[in-house]
Amino acid sequence: DTEVTQTPKHLVMGMTNKKSLKCEQHMGHRAMYWYKQKAKKPPELMFVYSYEKLSINESVPSRFSPECPNSSLLNLHLHALQPEDSALYLCASSLAQGAEGYTFGSGTRLTVV
Amino acid sequence: AQSVTQLGSHVSVSEGALVLLRCNYSSSVPPYLFWYVQYPNQGLQLLLKYTTGATLVKGINGFEAEFKKSETSFHLTKPSAHMSDAAEYFCAVTTTGNQFYFGTGTSLTVIP
Repeated sequence: DTEVTQTPKHLVMGMTNKKSLKCEQHMGHRAMYWYKQKAKKPPELMFVYSYEKLSINESVPSRFSPECPNSSLLNLHLHALQPEDSALYLCASSLAQGAEGYTFGSGTRLTVV
Repeated sequence: AQSVTQLGSHVSVSEGALVLLRCNYSSSVPPYLFWYVQYPNQGLQLLLKYTTGATLVKGINGFEAEFKKSETSFHLTKPSAHMSDAAEYFCAVTTTGNQFYFGTGTSLTVIP
């Protein structure tokens, strides 16, 4: 298995909703990442997990809450989002040292209404 | 700190023509360099990477790139463009592996 699987592919949520994005990989990667990507822009790093521990939080608002239950799963819990949070959310994984490159999932297209 | 500059946010080439996408980096230590491609509504796919060793690296779909330390460049080329090459291309640099720095991207259009 050489893929990163993200679900759902599309999500529409209201500003008072609570939802979660899920990411799964079975490549034995020990680092996992959340990125946010706006249209026609490069991905922006949100969070990095290394060996299931949060190692980098790029000053992301608390309405985004990451969770890494085990080495294969990464969740992003969403609560009280704003319309400007609408974007493509990408999950990626890598070997413990990501210098060999990341494997990206196909993303979740999030629309906040 | 590292950074990446991609010259040309939009590049158009005719089908069968040479593709050249430019990437210059800034890094105080030896970098690892990558090119990713993104098709509409999809994630990023690794095209090729330079870590150590041979400075000319070959990737998928006929793409290649050359690491030129003296020019701090890592330009992406393909001898003959195909319609399926139309996509967004991102150059990226890292030194630690924990943090990638992406360029602003180049949108490639292939004209039939």
